[in-house]
Amino acid sequence: EVQLVESGGGLVQPGGSLRLSCAASGFTFSRSDMHWVRQATGKGLEWVSAIGAGGDTYYEGSVKGRFTISRENAKNSLFLQMNSLRAGDTAVYYCARELPDTVSHGWYFDLWGRGTLVTVSS
Amino acid sequence: QSALTQPASVSGSPGQSITISCTGTSSDVGGYNYVSWYQQHPGKAPKLMIYDVTSRPSGVSDRFSGSKFGNTASLTISGLQAEDEAEYYCNSHTSGGTVFGGGTKLIVL
Repeated sequence: EVQLVESGGGLVQPGGSLRLSCAASGFTFSRSDMHWVRQATGKGLEWVSAIGAGGDTYYEGSVKGRFTISRENAKNSLFLQMNSLRAGDTAVYYCARELPDTVSHGWYFDLWGRGTLVTVSS
Repeated sequence: QSALTQPASVSGSPGQSITISCTGTSSDVGGYNYVSWYQQHPGKAPKLMIYDVTSRPSGVSDRFSGSKFGNTASLTISGLQAEDEAEYYCNSHTSGGTVFGGGTKLIVL
């Protein structure tokens, strides 16, 4: 089955760290560009970070320098290391696969996980 | 980067057509033909409905169509059905990555 499954969310104090994981299955993960998108409760979607199949990385301005995206193709896994967490980082974090470049060069998300909740609070 | 501007809600009766607007700037919507639309039902992950302004992924009904003029993109849903009631988000490429709209709740009366 083609799917993405996130894990690693939880409650963390401001200033703390958390590492999210995303397990991919049913498709060739190593050839896919991957993203993290978050959504605060009752709010809209916000793109967080991306990593290309070749390992190039991109970050939204407010997380640059605090979050690190990485991947381990041998284990079909995507990660997001989150440091110096703030209350504003509280959200459901989705792992998403980008539509292949053979279809379009835009950043479009054609496969999503169910998300993992990160709560930053004292 | 600022979120794209969408109306908070739109409504329509079954069988009618509705249009949701998404306004950005020349740095995002107006500058690239990389606009997409996502549908999200409560408690579910978003679903890609439109990409490259007008293209539909396989499996998406042709009742959904997209367009763009200047800095404003639009999603039109024709033949409205009860199952179309959901939150809709537009998305555009920017120089810094990609940005979403604030979301529009579609209410099917």
